[in-house]
Amino acid sequence: GNSVTQMEGPVTLSEEAFLTINCTYTATGYPSLFWYVQYPGEGLQLLLKATKADDKGSNKGFEATYRKETTSFHLEKGSVQVSDSAVYFCALTSNTGNQFYFGTGTSLTVIP
Amino acid sequence: DAEITQSPRHKITETGRQVTLACHQTWNHNNMFWYRQDLGHGLRLIHYSYGVQDTNKGEVSDGYSVSRSNTEDLPLTLESAASSQTSVYFCASSGSSQETQYFGPGTRLLVL
Repeated sequence: GNSVTQMEGPVTLSEEAFLTINCTYTATGYPSLFWYVQYPGEGLQLLLKATKADDKGSNKGFEATYRKETTSFHLEKGSVQVSDSAVYFCALTSNTGNQFYFGTGTSLTVIP
Repeated sequence: DAEITQSPRHKITETGRQVTLACHQTWNHNNMFWYRQDLGHGLRLIHYSYGVQDTNKGEVSDGYSVSRSNTEDLPLTLESAASSQTSVYFCASSGSSQETQYFGPGTRLLVL
């Protein structure tokens, strides 16, 4: 079946620290992989995505590389800001269906 | 600009009452989804639709129903509200398989 496992939170970092949020997946077929971000009181917004192996998605300084050999899609940012404080969700959708499968979310707090 | 809206944004109701949450999208997307978000569970799929007159049960469909009479709307009905249905509800839509899902701002429901 399809599933996503992401690292437990909460994560607290100082401003300008390096961020990694781990995400691994199990999927049938050839999945597309996504990172969504949810700011307090809002819905989920697409942060970045990758649709095939070795693709790198990037946006707002965040990056993630689709690694088929390790079934991973880890989110990284070189220097976090207070405004990056949010909950981050890893997700996949398989080419065998239209449904999304979400991880449980990782809460990030960045302190000045 | 295309968008997806939900109403109401906040709702308080009593146990046993019927409640309907609205979701409207102007993306002209075929696929629409309802999720609930609870602490410790991430996002869980309630119902989804791949087009007009099509509806399908998700992971946590008991006590909920949907109908799809046009492309733009997928209302979610709680037949007889229970305290366990207190949650934040998100609607989402996507164009086709493996495309990005776009989320509404959410409805916060409290069942007393």
